[in-house]
Amino acid sequence: DTVLTQSPALAVSPGERVTISCRASESVSTGMHWYQQKPGQQPKLLIYGASNLESGVPARFSGSGSGTDFTLTIDPVEADDTATYFCQQSWNDPYTFGAGTKLELK
Amino acid sequence: EVQILETGGGLVKPGGSLRLSCATSGFNFNDYFMNWVRQAPGKGLEWVAQIRNKNYNYATYYAESLEGRVTISRDDSKSSVYLQVSSLRAEDTAIYYCTRSNWVFDYWGQGVMVTVSS
Repeated sequence: DTVLTQSPALAVSPGERVTISCRASESVSTGMHWYQQKPGQQPKLLIYGASNLESGVPARFSGSGSGTDFTLTIDPVEADDTATYFCQQSWNDPYTFGAGTKLELK
Repeated sequence: EVQILETGGGLVKPGGSLRLSCATSGFNFNDYFMNWVRQAPGKGLEWVAQIRNKNYNYATYYAESLEGRVTISRDDSKSSVYLQVSSLRAEDTAIYYCTRSNWVFDYWGQGVMVTVSS
């Protein structure tokens, strides 16, 4: 299975720029997607196909990467962005998720 | 508006079975694949099963960790998808989410809690 590795946690101040990384154990081309999950809620799609912004998602969110290295960027970060962010690949079977990066605001 | 609602969760004894249901509305159900994804308490997300649409002959796929114990099915006339889980174990305790996809999980239900405990 394709293993997706994310850093476990980040802490940033509102107004700063934050990058969340996701590294795949093998190439997933651009079949990488990003989700935001707030406590007690279901995940919400932010970015699909590595760099495409889902409709209704603020332009503060962006994604980049291809192959094995991917980045989710939030610029600027707002207080409401406190959440866990998961990457997920759909290029290789089975679909797999990263363990999530918990973003906290200082 | 896309709506996805899971039902059927609850407390089940180890070795027991459960059938989860997922009712949808607000989109053309026939056009989409449907999935179940689960999340153990305080843990990450795990894809469980997928059923494709009629164009793909309703093909089904399962996570290896659950294969043989789960069956996904759909009823296009009811815009609904189901997950039958048997031989339940403590490690199956999780929130089970129903999600719509073609190649990305773009809409998720609120999830239903399944607790396996004696």
